[in-house]
Amino acid sequence: GDSVTQKQGQVTLSEDDFLFINCTYSTTTYPTLLWYVQYLGQGPQLLLKVTTANNKGISRGFEATYDKGTTSFHLQKASVQESDSAVYFCALVAGGYKVVFGSGTRLLVSP
Amino acid sequence: EAAVTQSPRNKVTVTGGNVTLSCRQTNSHNYMYWYRQDTGHGLRLIHYSYGAGNLQIGDVPDGYKATRTTQEDFFLLLELASPSQTSLYFCASSDARDRGHEQYFGPGTRLTVL
Repeated sequence: GDSVTQKQGQVTLSEDDFLFINCTYSTTTYPTLLWYVQYLGQGPQLLLKVTTANNKGISRGFEATYDKGTTSFHLQKASVQESDSAVYFCALVAGGYKVVFGSGTRLLVSP
Repeated sequence: EAAVTQSPRNKVTVTGGNVTLSCRQTNSHNYMYWYRQDTGHGLRLIHYSYGAGNLQIGDVPDGYKATRTTQEDFFLLLELASPSQTSLYFCASSDARDRGHEQYFGPGTRLTVL
């Protein structure tokens, strides 16, 4: 079945550091790939999405590129801020209306 | 004003207890979802629905029932709660025209089964 893998349980950075969060996926279809962000005490919210048509998503300084060859969809940001501290979920929509979420990566940014 | 609300926000029950979690959305969305969130597992889909009276089975449905009474209201029922159902539960909604890509989540209900 469809699956999403995030191997980094937690990432700890300082402000202005570069962020890179790994995500790989497995599916037999052409998926839409998503990143959701969950701030403390809130439900997740969509950060960005990428389809096979556009290959890259950019939002609020975050960027993710869809690489079909390596089945990866990594999240990057050039310079993180303390306010970016949150849990980040990679996810895919392979068909229908179901979203399959990864296990999440907690980002801690110190000032 | 929040478009997806959940009640209660916190619930403690005992093993074998009967629990109902409520969700209401004012987004006029067709689709509604129930997830559970556990450390190391992310968000896992329990049940979802594309309209009043409809129910679709998710990925971790065992021990859960759900009912969509109106377009706005979706309920999750635990008829014989077990400690393994201790978790943070989220409800979400999405627009059918968006094909489920953007889901709008409620604030969550933390359930503890003793």
